[in-house]
This record gives sequence, C-alpha cells and structure tokens, in this order.
Amino acid sequence: GAVVSQHPSWVICKSGTSVKIECRSLDFQATTMFWYRQFPKQSLMLMATSNEGSKATYEQGVEKDKFLINHASLTLSTLTVTSAHPEDSSFYICSAQNRGSGNTIYFGEGSWLTVV
Amino acid sequence: GENVEQHPSTLSVQEGDSAVIKCTYSDSASNYFPWYKQELGKGPQLIIDIRSNVGEKKDQRIAVTLNKTAKHFSLHITETQPEDSAVYFCAAIVDQAGTALIFGKGTTLSVSS
Repeated sequence: GAVVSQHPSWVICKSGTSVKIECRSLDFQATTMFWYRQFPKQSLMLMATSNEGSKATYEQGVEKDKFLINHASLTLSTLTVTSAHPEDSSFYICSAQNRGSGNTIYFGEGSWLTVV
Repeated sequence: GENVEQHPSTLSVQEGDSAVIKCTYSDSASNYFPWYKQELGKGPQLIIDIRSNVGEKKDQRIAVTLNKTAKHFSLHITETQPEDSAVYFCAAIVDQAGTALIFGKGTTLSVSS
C-alpha cells in the first residue's frame, strides 16, 4: 500500500519550547492531509484538515495558534506544537489522502510527544 | 455530522475462532467504510474497505459486510491468529476529496493461543 512517513517517531521537549512533526507522502501526491491526536486507549481525534497551499481547517476546540499546520507541498505537511506543556504530551498521527486511488486515506506511524 | 458507534470495546477469542466487530453510522450520505488495525505504538493500517455499491467484500481471512438500510457494517476475521491481536477501528465517510475519516472508539481484539 501507499506509504506515509512521519518524523520524528518520538520526541521529548521541555515545557515552553516548540516541536515540529513532519508528515510525508512518499509515493503519491496528497492534496489533503489530516492530523489526529490519540490518548492512551482512546480513539483518534481529528485535530485539523490540511490542504496544500491553503490554511488548515481546525476542529472545534483545537487551538490553531498552538498547533500550527503548514502544507506547503503536495508531499509534506508539518505540525508545530508551540509553547508545549505537559498536557500536550500525546501520540500525534498524520494521514494523507490519495485522490489517485479512490480517495483512500493512509496513516503515518505516529509521533510520540512527551513534554517535561 | 457523522457519528460512528463501534461494538464491542474488547473482544477475546481463542486462536482459530472467528471474531466479529460491528459498527453503526448515522449519516446516510456516507458511502465509504474502511477498517484499520492499530498495533501498540504504531499508526493505523488499512486492512479492508467497502463502498456502498457492494454489500460484502472479502480478502483472505478478513471480510466486511455492509447493510445500508440499517446503516451498519461489520468486520469478520476467520481463523484468528495471535498476530491478529490489536485495536481495530471502523470509520465512515462521504467519499470525496478533503473529507476526514470519523472513527469509532475502537475494539481491542485479543487472540490467545
């Protein structure tokens, strides 16, 4: 199947700093990418929808100034957690939609963020 | 918006038995129903999907059935193996570009040998 690469797979940062997570579609162009957050033993919660070349659409309750999303190319979207706090610690997962394959959505391997 | 309910939340079976996970959805416009398997600490992996123009789809030991009238769909795993142990998520979506998946709460499947 299609490959979506996410980096880093895990990161530890200090409170107050920012951290960037990258999501790349390796073998298809992804006009649309999605960012999810997942807490232990819970389902995936959609944070935002990212369209190449335009501003991301955030879900209700997600702070757009805290979770900065950039989708500057058809193969790369980034999520930057700004001024991170311990409550931002979570598993962040991106997904990319392959419009050339029936709009099938593929997920990255996820990024574990721990804020200390 | 779409709401997806998934049952059961946990399922334990013996190796070789079958496992069935059921989901219901609320939006009658939804026409694409994928199933994802998530292993601990990893991202979800698409295992099978079905579109509303068919009622059943099978891929080796995995099958999905869809009842559009009742707005429910099910995942069937036959001859379960320990490596099938994972969390399974169903999702429903109106199949169009730019629309995000709405997931059920997940089912933790444990297959004991």
